[in-house]
Amino acid sequence: GAVVSQHPSRVICKSGTSVKIECRSLDFQATTMFWYRQFPKKSLMLMATSNEGSKATYEQGVEKDKFLINHASLTLSTLTVTSAHPEDSSFYICSARAGANTGELFFGEGSRLTVL
Amino acid sequence: GENVEQHPSTLSVQEGDSAVIKCTYSDSASNYFPWYKQELGKRPQLIIDIRSNVGEKKDQRIAVTLNKTAKHFSLHITETQPEDSAVYFCAASRLNSGNTPLVFGKGTRLSVIA
Repeated sequence: GAVVSQHPSRVICKSGTSVKIECRSLDFQATTMFWYRQFPKKSLMLMATSNEGSKATYEQGVEKDKFLINHASLTLSTLTVTSAHPEDSSFYICSARAGANTGELFFGEGSRLTVL
Repeated sequence: GENVEQHPSTLSVQEGDSAVIKCTYSDSASNYFPWYKQELGKRPQLIIDIRSNVGEKKDQRIAVTLNKTAKHFSLHITETQPEDSAVYFCAASRLNSGNTPLVFGKGTRLSVIA
């Protein structure tokens, strides 16, 4: 299957700092990537849809100025958590389809963010 | 938008028994229903999916059924094994309407007791 790679897998930062998470499609081009957030023992909540060359579409309740998304190429989307606070601590995971109508979403490894 | 409900939230079965997880969805236009398995600290992995043009699909010990009229679909695992222990998520999406995201249920934590 298609491969989506995410980096870093774990990051610990101080309150007030910004953290960038990268999501790459390794063997296919992804005009669209999806960013999800997962709290411990909870479901995958869609945060935003990242579109190559245009602005991301954010879900209701997700602050676009807090979670900056950039999709600069067909294989890379980045999520930057700005001015992080302890409540931003979570598991962030990106995903993409190898084709728009193929169905299966391939997920990255996820990034566990801990804000002290 | 789509809303997916999943039950039960936890499920314990004896090894060799069957496990059934049920989901309902709200958007009648949804036409793609995958099931993902997530082990602790790992990424979700697709185990089976079904499209709205079929009512049932089977892959070895795993099967999924879909009732479009009632807007519900179920995952059936037979002859469960300890390695089936994980969290299972159902999801729904519209395909053929652009590249749309999956909306996930809240998950079912399955424990298979040896």
